[in-house]
Amino acid sequence: EVQLVQSGAEVKKPGESLKISCKGSGYSFTSYWIGWVRQMPGKGLEWMGIIYPGDSDTRYSPSFQGQVTISADKSISTAYLQWSSLKASDTAMYYCARPVYGDYAHFDYWGQGTLVTVSS
Amino acid sequence: SYELTQPPSVSVSPGQTARITCSGDALPKQYAYWYQQKPGQAPVVVIYKDSERPSGIPERFSGSSSGTTVTLTISGVQAEDEADYYCQSGDISGTYRVVFGGGTKLTVL
Repeated sequence: EVQLVQSGAEVKKPGESLKISCKGSGYSFTSYWIGWVRQMPGKGLEWMGIIYPGDSDTRYSPSFQGQVTISADKSISTAYLQWSSLKASDTAMYYCARPVYGDYAHFDYWGQGTLVTVSS
Repeated sequence: SYELTQPPSVSVSPGQTARITCSGDALPKQYAYWYQQKPGQAPVVVIYKDSERPSGIPERFSGSSSGTTVTLTISGVQAEDEADYYCQSGDISGTYRVVFGGGTKLTVL
């Protein structure tokens, strides 16, 4: 069974750093892209970027380029999303998701989401 | 930037047909996908490649494409269909690999 299991909720202060994770299982982790999607409170879905764990090829939405870093450790089948200096506006639910093929197709598997709250 | 435009809300009575549109300049050349998201849950794909329905999705869900607009149609709407619906596609240049529409809240009256 394919599963994407994300790390738990986080509460951080502005300016702090953060790295959240997404562990894949039940499939060949290095053969599929993993994407990250933001959903701010009461708002819609936003595609942040995507990584191919097989060779770490990474692509970002222009809206998020330079704001976050996406990485992966294929030895432990885990993808990451990290911030070096959080802002209150980073408060959101973050989902990892696996496209059914390529880096642009629909996402057939989603993690449960990680809620990030940034508040002073 | 590249945008997909959806109506913010659609309301229908049970048993009626709901149509949710999504407009974007690249849609004649790029596939569209549709997700259903219920409160507190991750999205679930209900239509892929404009009109294909995944296994397990009820037949009342269908998709179509015409020019720069794609449409999700839910025939015989049921109370359980009340949710937010998002379209997904991308631009032709590849700069915006994946873009989501703003979402449509379907209310079953």
